[in-house]
Amino acid sequence: AQSVTQPDIHITVSEGASLELRCNYSYGATPYLFWYVQSPGQGLQLLLKYFSGDTLVQGIKGFEAEFKRSQSSFNLRKPSVHWSDAAEYFCAVTGGGADGLTFGKGTHLIIQP
Amino acid sequence: DTGVSQNPRHKITKRGQNVTFRCDPISEHNRLYWYRQTLGQGPEFLTYFQNEAQLEKSRLLSDRFSAERPKGSFSTLEIQRTEQGDSAMYLCASSPSGGATDTQYFGPGTRLTVL
Repeated sequence: AQSVTQPDIHITVSEGASLELRCNYSYGATPYLFWYVQSPGQGLQLLLKYFSGDTLVQGIKGFEAEFKRSQSSFNLRKPSVHWSDAAEYFCAVTGGGADGLTFGKGTHLIIQP
Repeated sequence: DTGVSQNPRHKITKRGQNVTFRCDPISEHNRLYWYRQTLGQGPEFLTYFQNEAQLEKSRLLSDRFSAERPKGSFSTLEIQRTEQGDSAMYLCASSPSGGATDTQYFGPGTRLTVL
């Protein structure tokens, strides 16, 4: 069965510092990978997705993620965080857009002034 | 494009009561998904529809849960004889056609509290 592990429950970063959120997946075939962000009272918003091709994908709000098949990882990065980035971040995997997504437990990002 | 909407946003009920939630997907999206999210967890897939046909159900969807999408537009999720363990956020998502590269767009969710 497919699964997603987000090892960090909470991460605290100073505003302006760089960010990396870790995601490891388990999937038997070629995975389709996603990062979503969830702010209080808001729905899940897609940051970026990877299906194939270039393993470094660019998303919205200055985020990027790199797919590393050898490490079964899809880590999310941002060079300089803003206070508005404080939210819950979820990594998800599926075998295709038609399937239900399997999410990790999320990483809560706290931004220090 | 007004996004996925869900009603009500909050529901408080007593154990044993029935509740029904509604999801309106993005117009012309053929796929509609239901997820459940409990505190401190990521969303868990429950079921999905292709137009009006319910194509997959998770083992999480017990017999007390039923979902419909009668005309291939809005969907309802009903929980009968609610239990305290049903307390969660229920999320709806839609996607254009269910193609391999489609994105699922999520609504704001309905938060259910069972007393």
